[in-house]
Amino acid sequence: AQSVSQHNHHVILSEAASLELGCNYSYGGTVNLFWYVQYPGQHLQLLLKYFSGDPLVKGIKGFEAEFIKSKFSFNLRKPSVQWSDTAEYFCAVSPYNQGGKLIFGQGTELSVKP
Amino acid sequence: DAGVIQSPRHEVTEMGQEVTLRCKPISGHDYLFWYRQTMMRGLELLIYFNNNVPIDDSGMPEDRFSAKMPNASFSTLKIQPSEPRDSAVYFCASSLGGLAMESRKETQYFGPGTRLLVL
Repeated sequence: AQSVSQHNHHVILSEAASLELGCNYSYGGTVNLFWYVQYPGQHLQLLLKYFSGDPLVKGIKGFEAEFIKSKFSFNLRKPSVQWSDTAEYFCAVSPYNQGGKLIFGQGTELSVKP
Repeated sequence: DAGVIQSPRHEVTEMGQEVTLRCKPISGHDYLFWYRQTMMRGLELLIYFNNNVPIDDSGMPEDRFSAKMPNASFSTLKIQPSEPRDSAVYFCASSLGGLAMESRKETQYFGPGTRLLVL
């Protein structure tokens, strides 16, 4: 079955610390990859996406993600987090032949201490 | 554009009552998705439409759930009768295209969600 696994359920960091959130997926075919962010009380917003080309993708607010095909991974990184990055982060996969539907990971809650 | 619009934003109802959630996708988008978010199960796709036609409803939990899209600018998700375990946040999302090579690049835009509490 297709699935997306996010390794950390809750991450707590101090401001200026570096962030890496893990994401692995299980699907043998071509996929599009996404990271969405959900700030407290708000809806999901697209952080970044990968379709093809350079496996290192840069998104908004200083976030980036690297697609490693051999590891079926799409980890999210940020060199220096801010208090305003406190949110829940969702990795999602869209298998190419399935009409664009998204399969989400369980989410990682990030708390940044000021 | 106003983005994806959902109503109501909050709904509190009693077990056994009918609940109707509404969604207006972004104008011009031809795909519409309904998701449910719970603490236990995370974000799950319930059903999605292409050009107003349901394509995949395998995520719909049971017969108490039904979804319609009578036209390109409106969709409903109905629960009848509602149960406490249906309490969740229900998100609607829309996108432009999904299968054609160029439209692979499109992404889904989410509405603000409807927070449903069934007592």
